[in-house]
Amino acid sequence: GAGVSQSPSNKVTEKGKDVELRCDPISGHTALYWYRQSLGQGLEFLIYFQGNSAPDKSGLPSDRFSAERTGGSVSTLTIQRTQQEDSAVYLCASSFFGTRSEKLFFGSGTQLSVL
Amino acid sequence: GESVGLHLPTLSVQEGDNSIINCAYSNSASDYFIWYKQESGKGPQFIIDIRSNMDKRQGQRVTVLLNKTVKHLSLQIAATQPGDSAVYFCAENRVTGGGNKLTFGTGTQLKVEL
Repeated sequence: GAGVSQSPSNKVTEKGKDVELRCDPISGHTALYWYRQSLGQGLEFLIYFQGNSAPDKSGLPSDRFSAERTGGSVSTLTIQRTQQEDSAVYLCASSFFGTRSEKLFFGSGTQLSVL
Repeated sequence: GESVGLHLPTLSVQEGDNSIINCAYSNSASDYFIWYKQESGKGPQFIIDIRSNMDKRQGQRVTVLLNKTVKHLSLQIAATQPGDSAVYFCAENRVTGGGNKLTFGTGTQLKVEL
């Protein structure tokens, strides 16, 4: 079956522009996560969606970052007025909620470069 | 604050040898500890996990050990192969009323030498 799909795989933008990153989770997965990974670094939690519950936004670094999950499936991460420090790989993951919910399935990420 | 970290940023081993990757954690309330493997250009991939009430769990060629006394987690890979070359992350998961949030460590680069 299909895994987690992210698009675009690479995005180059100019400082100050807005960008949208898309994530298609595995069908049937109720939990969806966004993480950010800077070069040579670990994964930084950004936001977590679970079913119809209010998302956990505690990891969003500033109000320039926002995310939506429509219909409990596809998610979009939006970064407004991008800055050079936003350059990173943005990873999306999904999982079942409940048994083995710690087993996340990751996409290959979107490499964002802000010039 | 809460943190999950690794002792060694880079580990080089000879093909066929056993590898041990270590991780320290600080949050005693975590329910699960997990190891992920990330190959170049790909997202992390689940390897194995262990519940907080266990001290050892074995998978195929991998064993995870949990020492809650010293808050230490390790991943042992038997007969390391070139395909094991990757960055390995430990992570901790805590189930709350709001759901799950995995906290990842910095990662260890495993290099397998032929």
